[in-house]
Amino acid sequence: DAMVIQNPRYQVTQFGKPVTLSCSQTLNHNVMYWYQQKSSQAPKLLFHYYDKDFNNEADTPDNFQSRRPNTSFCFLDIRSPGLGDAAMYLCATSRVAGEWGTDTQYFGPGTRLTVL
Amino acid sequence: QKEVEQNSGPLSVPEGAIASLNCTYSDRGSQSFFWYRQYSGKSPELIMSIYSNGDKEDGRFTAQLNKASQYVSLLIRDSQPSDSATYLCAVNNYGQNFVFGPGTRLSVLP
Repeated sequence: DAMVIQNPRYQVTQFGKPVTLSCSQTLNHNVMYWYQQKSSQAPKLLFHYYDKDFNNEADTPDNFQSRRPNTSFCFLDIRSPGLGDAAMYLCATSRVAGEWGTDTQYFGPGTRLTVL
Repeated sequence: QKEVEQNSGPLSVPEGAIASLNCTYSDRGSQSFFWYRQYSGKSPELIMSIYSNGDKEDGRFTAQLNKASQYVSLLIRDSQPSDSATYLCAVNNYGQNFVFGPGTRLSVLP
């Protein structure tokens, strides 16, 4: 059974047209992450939620926003997509686990975003 | 700046050989370490996690951690063509953030 689900798997948008990507999880994990990954590069963390606390990376453009209405769902909003925003967007979840810090991250299948 | 470094490869090994993937990290406070496999166009898939110095074995995979040297490695025994992928090293240090290395591309030749 899928534990981290992302929709849609493929998204095509036009330059400047807002787009929303969604992520849901059945793991009841308290941390949810959004990564951007371009070809042949490592995943780049955009932001994460620890419960309801939002943590933005310093170099994440303002064009990217996120919402987490409840434990299970998290959304990535790209307000005005540019050509440079074409990438794979990965959602991941993990659990803060006391002595060991944060436990393993589990990734969803990703959403491939194309900007025309 | 917390960094994780890996050889970008490609690392080519013949089928049946041992593939050795290496990762170094800069933050001495790092506590947990992960190896992910990523096939082209797919999302990362967890292979191993390791938290203590020494070796951890899971089937054909062995992770090795040396915190004094700030080094973690992944050995793949009896490499198969299906092991051909990019292997990402990720490091966590108590906070919620994971720092990823750039990945090593492994090619197992039939």
